[in-house]
Order: sequence, then structure tokens, then C-alpha cells
Amino acid sequence: DIQMTQSPSTLSASVGDRVTITCRASQSISSWLAWYQQKPGKAPKLLIYKASSLESGVPSRFSGSGSGTEFTLTISSLQPDDFATYYCQQYDSYSWTFGQGTKVEIK
Amino acid sequence: QVQLVQSGAEVKKPGASVKVSCTASGYIFNSHGISWVRQAPGQGLEWMGRISAYNGDTNYEQKLQGRVTMTTDTSTSTAYMELRSLRSDDTAVYYCARSLTRSSGSLGYWGQGTLVTVSS
Repeated sequence: DIQMTQSPSTLSASVGDRVTITCRASQSISSWLAWYQQKPGKAPKLLIYKASSLESGVPSRFSGSGSGTEFTLTISSLQPDDFATYYCQQYDSYSWTFGQGTKVEIK
Repeated sequence: QVQLVQSGAEVKKPGASVKVSCTASGYIFNSHGISWVRQAPGQGLEWMGRISAYNGDTNYEQKLQGRVTMTTDTSTSTAYMELRSLRSDDTAVYYCARSLTRSSGSLGYWGQGTLVTVSS
């Protein structure tokens, strides 16, 4: 199975900060990577697919980049609604796998 | 609009089986795959497998092989996930999710989740 490693596990930031989360794959996954946001008690929400494509309705402050084994999710200016846990997911080959998550907390 | 509605919470004893349903609406059911993802309390997301609603082809996470079966009923636009020989570490919220596009692995639509508690 392809292992996905996110860093950091927890991130403390303030409203207005630029935030970057990294996801590394144990082998190349081309651009077959998605990013999700999850809030407590809710289902995950798709933010980014195919590494850099913004899902419809997602604010443009979210962006994704990378290919191969290294990927980033950037929030250009953190908003109060963005405090949540973020997961990456590879879908290059079965079994699809998620990263362990990055919790974005209020500083 | 696309909606996935899951069955209600379940409490099961160790060794029992559970079958969770996911009823889809707002799109042509057999045009997209359905994945199942679970989340143990306080833990991350774990992909369990997927089923093609077009032809029933399945792919399961290796460690669940032999205990999980995913099926669909196209007449009712419903997907099912059955997990057998339940253990305490199967306690989790189970989500169904639809692929964003026909051939994509990104999961654009999610059910509300079903809590399965395994306890003696």
C-alpha cells in the first residue's frame, strides 16, 4: 500500500495567517491526490482534487500544488471557518489511503 | 442535488455482523462508484473499499479482505457495506461517499455517517 504522511500533525495559527500543510507519498502518485476538510461531528468535505483543482464552491484562498510524491495545501489567509482537520488522500492505486490528518487550531 | 442517506446507528456484540446502507438520490446511481470510509473515535479516516455501481466490481482494503462485502441494489439506488466478525476496534463512524466524477477517486459527496458500536 502507498503510505501518506502529513506534516505537521497540529498547527497553531491566527486569523489572516498563511498556512501550508504538506503531504508526502511513499511512492509516486502522479497528481492523483485530494484534500479534505473535516469539522467535528461532520463528514469530510472535498476541497481539492487532482492535486491542484479547486472543487466547485470552495473559496479561492485554498490552493493545492505538487506532483509525484510531495504535495501541499495552502490557505492564503486563514479565516475563522477554516479551523478544522485536513486530510490528504491518494487515489493512484488501490488501496486508496489517507494521511493521518493535520489539525489547524487557533493560536 | 446529490444526496447520500445512510441507515441509523447500530450496537453489536463482538463476533456479530453489521450491514450499513447508503441510499443515493439526485444522480444516475450506476454512473459513479461508491466508497466506504470509516473513522474510529478520535482517529483519522480509513478507506475500506469501493464498489462500481455500474458492474459491481469491488476493491477492498487488504486488511479487511474476508470480513467485508460491498454490494449495490440498482433498483433502489442503495449501496450496502457488510462487516463480519466484529471486534471492539471496529467501533467507528462509517461513511459512504460518491466519486466526484465517473472515473475519479476523489470523493465529492458524503453520507452523514453511521455510528457502529461493538461492545459486549
